[in-house]
Parts: sequence; C-alpha cells; structure tokens
Amino acid sequence: EPEVTQTPSHQVTQMGQEVILRCVPISNHLYFYWYRQILGQKVEFLVSFYNNEISEKSEIFDDQFSVERPDGSNFTLKIRSTKLEDSAMYFCASGKEYSNQPQHFGDGTRLSIL
Amino acid sequence: DQQVKQNSPSLSVQEGRISILNCDYTNSMFDYFLWYKKYPAEGPTFLISISSIKDKNEDGRFTVFLNKSAKHLSLHIVPSQPGDSAVYFCAASAAGNTGKLIFGQGTTLQVKP
Repeated sequence: EPEVTQTPSHQVTQMGQEVILRCVPISNHLYFYWYRQILGQKVEFLVSFYNNEISEKSEIFDDQFSVERPDGSNFTLKIRSTKLEDSAMYFCASGKEYSNQPQHFGDGTRLSIL
Repeated sequence: DQQVKQNSPSLSVQEGRISILNCDYTNSMFDYFLWYKKYPAEGPTFLISISSIKDKNEDGRFTVFLNKSAKHLSLHIVPSQPGDSAVYFCAASAAGNTGKLIFGQGTTLQVKP
C-alpha cells in the first residue's frame, strides 16, 4: 500500500539555524499538508498546498516557515531561523481531494531545537 | 481552539468487548469527520470517516456514528483486540476550506487480554 514517507525521522538543530524537513507524498495525491504536534498537545494544522501554491496557512505558519514542491515528488517544510518553541513532531500528509477524502500521514520528523 | 473535543483522555476495555470512543465538535460548518489511530513513534493512520450526509458508516469491526443535532460522533470497535491499543484521534474538516483537519486531543485506548 502506498505511503507517505518523511525524512529525517529525528533532527537536532541549534536555535537560530535553518532546518528543512522532507516528505514524499503518495504519488497520485494532489493535496499536501504539514501538521505539527508539540509534546502533550493536539495535532495542529500548519499549511495546505495545492497546484504549487499555498492554499491555506495557520497563524503558526509565519514568515519563518516556507513550503515548496521543487521536483514534483518531494514536499518540503523549511524553518529559516529555528526557535526553542519549534520543537515538535512534524507530520506531512497528502490527499487525493481536499474534501470528503482522508488524508494519509507520514510517520513524522521529531525536531529538537537546542 | 476547542472546536473538536475528546473529553476522555483514556479508556480501558477487556478483549472481546466493545470500545466506544467519543468526540464532540462545536463548528456547524464541519461536514467530514475522520478517526485516526496512532501508535508511538508513528504517524496517525486513517481508520474510518463519515460525511455529514450520513449518520453511520461501518468498516469491519469499526463503526462511526454521527449525531449532527448533538454535534457528537463516536467510534465503536467490536470486538476489541489487544492490537487496538493506541491513541485514537477524531478530526473534522469544514466545507469550502482546503481540507484542513482540526484534531481532538486524543483518547488512549488500552485493550486488556
């Protein structure tokens, strides 16, 4: 069964450094998402992406965050200057349609900011 | 943001019995609801979903019930198995948006042999 894959599984970065989290969505999916889960908290929506542009973003997704799909397969989340509070699990998800279809999630990247 | 709530942090059930997980929502624009299961160190795995035009959807041992007037949904697992032990999240999305999912806090289910 096709699945969403994320790399790396764990990323440790110094505060202020840039980090790129990578995702390979399911191949016939058109809608892509990033979510994050801070330890002990809910899974929170960050951004949705369709047709090579952001379709919606949350308040969390400020100017320090960006997404792109550079080569038609990878979907990346970049944090330009990491802060301690960016420490979380980051999940990538993809879906065939944006409504009435489930999103399928990767196993996440644990981001630890020191 | 408390649009989706799972009020029970944990549930313990004997193997073979029914597990009932509950979820409440406040946003009347939600029209699609999902249940995900999550094991430690893995991402959420899609289990079952329901559109707001239905009040029940069944898939094997899993049934989701939707009560729109009460803004309540529930997941029934019958019979429960030890491998069902995991964290269960309900999630919802609203008509006309980009598919953004709003998650509940999760309920940890333990199925005892």
